[in-house]
Amino acid sequence: AQSVTQLGSHVSVSEGALVLLRCNYSSSVPPYLFWYVQYPNQGLQLLLKYTSAATLVKGINGFEAEFKKSETSFHLTKPSAHMSDAAEYFCAVLGSSNTGKLIFGQGTTLQVKP
Amino acid sequence: KAGVTQTPRYLIKTRGQQVTLSCSPISGHRSVSWYQQTPGQGLQFLFEYFSETQRNKGNFPGRFSGRQFSNSRSEMNVSTLELGDSALYLCASSLSHGSYEQYFGPGTRLTVT
Repeated sequence: AQSVTQLGSHVSVSEGALVLLRCNYSSSVPPYLFWYVQYPNQGLQLLLKYTSAATLVKGINGFEAEFKKSETSFHLTKPSAHMSDAAEYFCAVLGSSNTGKLIFGQGTTLQVKP
Repeated sequence: KAGVTQTPRYLIKTRGQQVTLSCSPISGHRSVSWYQQTPGQGLQFLFEYFSETQRNKGNFPGRFSGRQFSNSRSEMNVSTLELGDSALYLCASSLSHGSYEQYFGPGTRLTVT
């Protein structure tokens, strides 16, 4: 069965600093992995996805993630944090047999300090 | 192209009542998935509908049900509401059953008193 673990429920960085949000997955089949962002009182917005093509995936707003099979990781990074990046971030894996079921991690709240 | 719309955005109900939430997917999308988001349990999958048929179901009691119409719009119903049903209910649409990308609506915030 698939599962996702996000390390760190809260991450705080200074504006301009590197953002690193950690995600590890468990999957018995080649995974399809996603990062979503949620701003207060809003739904989820897709940041980027890994679907077995390039291992380094670039997304919107300057975010990227690298799929590392040996480490079962899919960490999200951004070289320089902006105040507008403050939000909650969710890593997700698509359920087996591509059933339309996303399995989410518990989320990481990113705080950006001026 | 308009995004996923959900109505109503906010809802307050009393324990024991029932509620119906609505979701209109992106034009051309035929699959709709529903999720419940709570502070304690996080984001949990409820069910997926495609071609008016439930294709997958999460681990929720039978009080939670849904349906999909021929125009791909979907509704979910929760009967005999409990306090623990208070949550943000999110709808996501995708092109087809098994499509990778899901696009989420803004959600319906349900409060049960």
